[in-house]
Amino acid sequence: RKEVEQDPGPFNVPEGATVAFNCTYSNSASQSFFWYRQDCRKEPKLLMSVYSSGNEDGRFTAQLNRASQYISLLIRDSKLSDSATYLCVVDSFGNEKLTFGTGTRLTIIP
Amino acid sequence: EAQVTQNPRYLITVTGKKLTVTCSQNMNHEYMSWYRQDPGLGLRQIYYSMNVEVTDKGDVPEGYKVSRKEKRNFPLILESPSPNQTSLYFCASSSYRVDDYNEQFFGPGTRLTVL
Repeated sequence: RKEVEQDPGPFNVPEGATVAFNCTYSNSASQSFFWYRQDCRKEPKLLMSVYSSGNEDGRFTAQLNRASQYISLLIRDSKLSDSATYLCVVDSFGNEKLTFGTGTRLTIIP
Repeated sequence: EAQVTQNPRYLITVTGKKLTVTCSQNMNHEYMSWYRQDPGLGLRQIYYSMNVEVTDKGDVPEGYKVSRKEKRNFPLILESPSPNQTSLYFCASSSYRVDDYNEQFFGPGTRLTVL
C-alpha cells in the first residue's frame, strides 16, 4: 500500500459547484497533514494545514478522519482559478520527512 | 522578499557530465529538502537536511549528492547524470521542530534533461 494515495482525476467540475477530494494514508502514527496546490509547471504552495477538529478557510474546508486514516478537502462555489492539482501531504512519523501524494487534478469549467 | 531560489531553471546536458543545481533560502530555515517530480509518481524526496552539516537520504537518493555547509544553501550534485534523472526538481525549506512540521516553501523548480 502506498504511504499516501489520491485519486488522480481529472475532475472536471462546472463553475460554482462543490467538489471534494479524499486522500488516504498508511501510517497511523502520522501527526501532520496538509493540502498543497500546484499550478501547471509551477512549484507547490501550501493551501491549508489539516487539524484534528477540521478547519475552514473561506470556501475551503479540510477534515481529518484518524479512524479511517484519510483527509479530505472540500471546495465550495468553485471558481475558474481553482483549477490546479491538489497534493495531499502527510508526515512519516519518526522518519523526519513528509510524503506527498501524486495529486488530484481539478479543472473548473465555465 | 522571503523566497527559495534555484539555479539554473532549465538545463540540458549529456550523460556523465557532472552538474550542480544550487538552492538558496533567505528565511533562516533549518530544514531544507530536494524533491524530484515525475508524471504519475508525484513528488519524491531525494535528500533532506535538518541543519548545517546534517543531511540524510530521502526515498530516491541514488545518483545524487548534497551538502549543507551554510544554513542558507543546499546544492544538489549529480556526479554522473543519466537519462533516468531527467525530471523536474524542486528545492524546499521550512522551519522545523521535532515531529512538528511547518509550511514548506518551494523554489521555482529546475527542469533537467539528460541526453
